[in-house]
Amino acid sequence: ETGVTQSPTHLIKTRGQQVTLRCSSQSGHNTVSWYQQALGQGPQFIFQYYREEENGRGNFPPRFSGLQFPNYSSELNVNALELDDSALYLCASSDPRGLRGGYTFGSGTRLTVV
Amino acid sequence: AQSVTQLDSQVPVFEEAPVELRCNYSSSVSVYLFWYVQYPNQGLQLLLKYLSGSTLVKGINGFEAEFNKSQTSFHLRKPSVHISDTAEYFCAAVGSSNTGKLIFGQGTTLQVKP
Repeated sequence: ETGVTQSPTHLIKTRGQQVTLRCSSQSGHNTVSWYQQALGQGPQFIFQYYREEENGRGNFPPRFSGLQFPNYSSELNVNALELDDSALYLCASSDPRGLRGGYTFGSGTRLTVV
Repeated sequence: AQSVTQLDSQVPVFEEAPVELRCNYSSSVSVYLFWYVQYPNQGLQLLLKYLSGSTLVKGINGFEAEFNKSQTSFHLRKPSVHISDTAEYFCAAVGSSNTGKLIFGQGTTLQVKP
């Protein structure tokens, strides 16, 4: 069991640029969620993907988008980066049991926008 | 509005002393409740979860939590802490939607002193 892996671990981008973050879900997990954790805050739900479709979204603008692939891995794309997008981005996966199986989090990608 | 409130931002405690980290949730969230721990520069690790059944939930590393519906609380306890328990702790609840969206509190920093 390899767990959830995220890449890259750290990233520095300039305001206005675009970024893609990647997540490989844990083996057997078919649902992926993304969270944004600003410094000193709790994680905030961005969206969730199940069977390659978005099936839930938090209060984030459309410039935050995502994809889920047939192997259940996922990408988070952020366009027109703003300084406030600087945060730790966490990916979480869950198995078909959903809540009962719990959510497994990756170690995150630290994004800094300058 | 759906919310999770952690009542203490920092909790200092001496090694081998007992500790309680307090968490209250709004009645508008479902009663699926979680505690996660986050060590520096790492992702979130599940300590324990309450889905149904016994109101006293035991987790990893000697932690336990008690679900109290009448007080809408889910406080985390450990009878004797170690230096290695120093970390950020997050209480979370599942929102009322079917997406499994996790709503996190702001976090409590547990500082264990020798």
